[in-house]
Amino acid sequence: EVQLVESGGGLVKPGGSLRLSCAASGFTFTNTWMNWVRQAPGKGLEWIGRIRSNVDGGTTDYGTPLKDRITISRDDSKNMLYLQMDSLETEDTAVYYCTTGFSRGYWGQGTLVTVSS
Amino acid sequence: QTVVTQEPSLTVSPGGTVTLTCASSTGAVTSGCYPDWFQQKPGQAPMTLIYSTSNKHSWTPARFSGSLLGGKAALTLSGAQPEDEAEYYCLLNCAGTWAFGGGTKLTVL
Repeated sequence: EVQLVESGGGLVKPGGSLRLSCAASGFTFTNTWMNWVRQAPGKGLEWIGRIRSNVDGGTTDYGTPLKDRITISRDDSKNMLYLQMDSLETEDTAVYYCTTGFSRGYWGQGTLVTVSS
Repeated sequence: QTVVTQEPSLTVSPGGTVTLTCASSTGAVTSGCYPDWFQQKPGQAPMTLIYSTSNKHSWTPARFSGSLLGGKAALTLSGAQPEDEAEYYCLLNCAGTWAFGGGTKLTVL
């Protein structure tokens, strides 16, 4: 069974940093491109970025709103995906989802990040 | 920055057919935009229904289909069921980065 389990969310003050993690199981993580997507309360989905498999270079692409404040990385030895977020703003409050590449189609249940003083 | 536009809301009768569309501010949506479609019910994570225009996952009900229609990506639901009431999002990559549409709230009534 494919599982994506996000963790690391919580309450952080504006200007702070947070690293989210996504534990993957049930599929060959090494060969899989991965995405991060977020959803602010009551709002739509927003693509944050993706990381290619290391076989395909392990490079990243980032969406516009966050591109200067985030880093996506992966540790294939642990089947883990990460999202490092810096200089957080109140507008970054959202549920953060990790997903496989959309041709695979799997989503985690998300982790809530609240940015508030 | 690409703006992706969907109908804000649509209503379909049980057993009826409805088409949701997805337009790009960059121009006509083609297969090269790799349109994907997602369903999200309240309180749940999204679920991928369609990828790369028309491909279904093993869990995608047969009544859903994806296509290109009049320069837009389209998701057609044939034989709507009450459990299809949900928010539907499209995702496009027409200009190098992915962008979601604002979502269509589908009511089955």
